[in-house]
Amino acid sequence: KQEVTQIPAALSVPEGENLVLNCSFTDSAIYNLQWFRQDPGKGLTSLLLIQSSQREQTSGRLNASLDKSSGRSTLYIAASQPGDSATYLCAVIKNQFYFGTGTSLTVIP
Amino acid sequence: GAVVSQHPSWVICKSGTSVKIECRSLDFQATTMFWYRQFPKQSLMLMATSNEGSKATYEQGVEKDKFLINHASLTLSTLTVTSAHPEDSSFYICSVAPGGGTDTQYFGPGTRLTVL
Repeated sequence: KQEVTQIPAALSVPEGENLVLNCSFTDSAIYNLQWFRQDPGKGLTSLLLIQSSQREQTSGRLNASLDKSSGRSTLYIAASQPGDSATYLCAVIKNQFYFGTGTSLTVIP
Repeated sequence: GAVVSQHPSWVICKSGTSVKIECRSLDFQATTMFWYRQFPKQSLMLMATSNEGSKATYEQGVEKDKFLINHASLTLSTLTVTSAHPEDSSFYICSVAPGGGTDTQYFGPGTRLTVL
């Protein structure tokens, strides 16, 4: 069974810092990987979708990479802002979505 | 992406009562929808796959008689929590899957259920 782990579980940084969130998975035979943002008590907002044939995707200050062979993905956030404060979830996609445990990010003004 | 709504956004009920949660795909027809449950500070766990016109497929450990799923139309799936108990209190999120769920899903805003 696919297991998805995110490290760290929580992260607090001052505004303006660049940061990296990590996602690891046990079964490398995946279709795609997707990063989401979840605000407290809210649903999921899709950030980036990396298809299995791709190694990275970029959107604005966000960059996500995927290394299937090592079972890892990273989400890089540049020049963090207080509005980036949320929980970030990665989901590994193979027949269904397998969600990670999430990283709770707090950006301090 | 697809627009998905859920109703209600939050509900409080007494133990032993039943609660129905609706998931609607507003801008395209969805033959497949998914229901997830998220306990506080935990990740989303797939409960069941809802298929239009047929019985839902439940994940291991999810009681099908307790969590009734009806997908009567291409735009609506409902989840009914029967005889709710406090341990059923959770955040329930649905998603729609244009490609059957193997490529991407669009998620609803979630329903917060609190059972007293």
